Amino acid sequence: GAGVSQTPSNKVTEKGKYVELRCDPISGHTALYWYRQSLGQGPEFLIYFQGTGAADDSGLPNDRFFAVRPEGSVSTLKIQRTERGDSAVYLCASSLGGTETQYFGPGTRLLVL
Amino acid sequence: GIQVEQSPPDLILQEGANSTLRCNFSDSVNNLQWFHQNPWGQLINLFYIPSGTKQNGRLSATTVATERYSLLYISSSQTTDSGVYFCAVELGDMRFGAGTRLTVKP
Repeated sequence: GAGVSQTPSNKVTEKGKYVELRCDPISGHTALYWYRQSLGQGPEFLIYFQGTGAADDSGLPNDRFFAVRPEGSVSTLKIQRTERGDSAVYLCASSLGGTETQYFGPGTRLLVL
Repeated sequence: GIQVEQSPPDLILQEGANSTLRCNFSDSVNNLQWFHQNPWGQLINLFYIPSGTKQNGRLSATTVATERYSLLYISSSQTTDSGVYFCAVELGDMRFGAGTRLTVKP
């Protein structure tokens, strides 16, 4: 497609479960970003990929969060042992390079019960 | 880390009015972007503007990098302009402000 896509659009899970969130960036974009947005706040940076490697993962809140981008295109954000505080909208963005305009996907709304 | 402050936090306008949104940041940055988040949560890029002035229709933006602020101007506002406007700056990672929530009434 023409834009960034994310699946699923909504995810409800139980505390302690494992979840995977997927991001398909714009074709040809080498940079990919994950953010988390809680209600009433701005997006919070989690991790940035340049190609296949994580160039900056300083925003990941703890070791329950992990992200991969094995072929330099699609990325998966993985959350282990989910907690209620993980409930948020997880946003993905891509750009042509590290300092170019970022284009955002529609987000995945995660609810941990 | 770098601080990003947006003002005002909330703004209510009558359709047709003009407005100015402000973004202050605490350090020199490589990149600054303005986004509009619509009521469905989609973030739309408005401007990539690390410095200077740009215009796109009824919207324009100015960034004065040496004084660490950026302004977003909305002229002849329409109800479809409603939503949250975010400023985001990049110095390594991307930091967002808390946003300005704009409501345009018919």
